[in-house]
Amino acid sequence: NAGVTQTPKFQVLKTGQSMTLQCAQDMNHEYMSWYRQDPGMGLRLIHYSVGAGITDQGEVPNGYNVSRSTTEDFPLRLLSAAPSQTSVYFCASSPGQGSKGAQHFGDGTRLSIL
Amino acid sequence: DAKTTQPPSMDCAEGRAANLPCNHSTISGNEYVYWYRQIHSQGPQYIIHGLKNNETNEMASLIITEDRKSSTLILPHATLRDTAVYYCIVRVFKAAGNKLTFGGGTRVLVKP
Repeated sequence: NAGVTQTPKFQVLKTGQSMTLQCAQDMNHEYMSWYRQDPGMGLRLIHYSVGAGITDQGEVPNGYNVSRSTTEDFPLRLLSAAPSQTSVYFCASSPGQGSKGAQHFGDGTRLSIL
Repeated sequence: DAKTTQPPSMDCAEGRAANLPCNHSTISGNEYVYWYRQIHSQGPQYIIHGLKNNETNEMASLIITEDRKSSTLILPHATLRDTAVYYCIVRVFKAAGNKLTFGGGTRVLVKP
């Protein structure tokens, strides 16, 4: 049981480049989310999804796109990378409403924008 | 979601109980208290949650005051592996998308 798997673990980009951070879960969870964590700070919600085909914005959505074509996958796209997007990105999943609400997190993707 | 206030850091001796306070004086009647922790470089880990009754699981105990304005997470026998940042989060149980709002947390250092 892999849980929540994020790839890549590390990435360095140049300003203006685009890339996709991958997130997959094998627990058949309805809900998936993307957070970013800057040094010394708590996590901030970027986007989330309550099921396949449904996404919504979190606190800091600008510069990021998401899609949810399957229950298992929830990729995060950086459209044109900026140094301000240097951060650690965490993907999380949880069962739908009515569950305990406890979320399962991946190990993160460490992204540096030069 | 109600805001929470936690001390920025605390030390604890290995083998002793660690008591982590959290203030949530503006909590609403339908909001739960959740605790997560984040060990260095890893994703956050769910610990426990509760509404108004005290809760206990294999990891910790959660004590919520009768007026629900504050709570304490208790790690009964702290080990070096409990060194982490602990986050107290208050949110509606059926929050849209099960969203979590993280504050600064308490950095706990367990010393031998």
